[in-house]
Amino acid sequence: NAGVTQTPKFQVLKTGQSMTLQCAQDMNHEYMSWYRQDPGMGLRLIHYSVGAGITDQGEVPNGYNVSRSTTEDFPLRLLSAAPSQTSVYFCASGSGDSAYEQYFGPGTRLTVT
Amino acid sequence: DQQVKQNSPSLSVQEGRISILNCDYTNSMFDYFLWYKKYPAEGPTFLISISSIKDKNEDGRFTVFLNKSAKHLSLHIVPSQPGDSAVYFCAASSDAGAQKLVFGQGTRLTINP
Repeated sequence: NAGVTQTPKFQVLKTGQSMTLQCAQDMNHEYMSWYRQDPGMGLRLIHYSVGAGITDQGEVPNGYNVSRSTTEDFPLRLLSAAPSQTSVYFCASGSGDSAYEQYFGPGTRLTVT
Repeated sequence: DQQVKQNSPSLSVQEGRISILNCDYTNSMFDYFLWYKKYPAEGPTFLISISSIKDKNEDGRFTVFLNKSAKHLSLHIVPSQPGDSAVYFCAASSDAGAQKLVFGQGTRLTINP
């Protein structure tokens, strides 16, 4: 199993550009989440999904959209990038069998100039 | 409003000694607590967890203690090894159904040979 994969690893955007961060998991997990990590802030939940077709907002959802059309994929869209969205983004997945314990991808480092 | 706090940004411990990482929380609705370990340029990996119905959970060299009255938990690593050098995040959840985790800011642990 590849686990949780994220692409790209690095990305530089100009203010106002849009892009999609990709996340995929091959463990048949029903739960998937997106977090951002900023210095001194820990990880903060952006959006999450409890299954295909079901998404909801986390702690810091503004400026981001998600969709979950399949169990495997959970892309995160930045609609109009802002410097405040410069961060490291982590995707995670988990199953009901091991509630709470999530598996994280390697992260995407995004810089918005 | 930081609901999960790790007040020590860094900790340095001699190899073979005990490492104690601390975490405080404010939300009395949290019922599950986890510790994640993170190496540079990688995603966090699950280390150990504890339910609010317990006050101690042990897994090899790692033990987590929970003091509900003080809203405090700690991670003990004994004996500490050089490979334990990493950033440790405390996390809490009150919603198993969505696996929404609230993270602390992290503590960078350095094990000195």
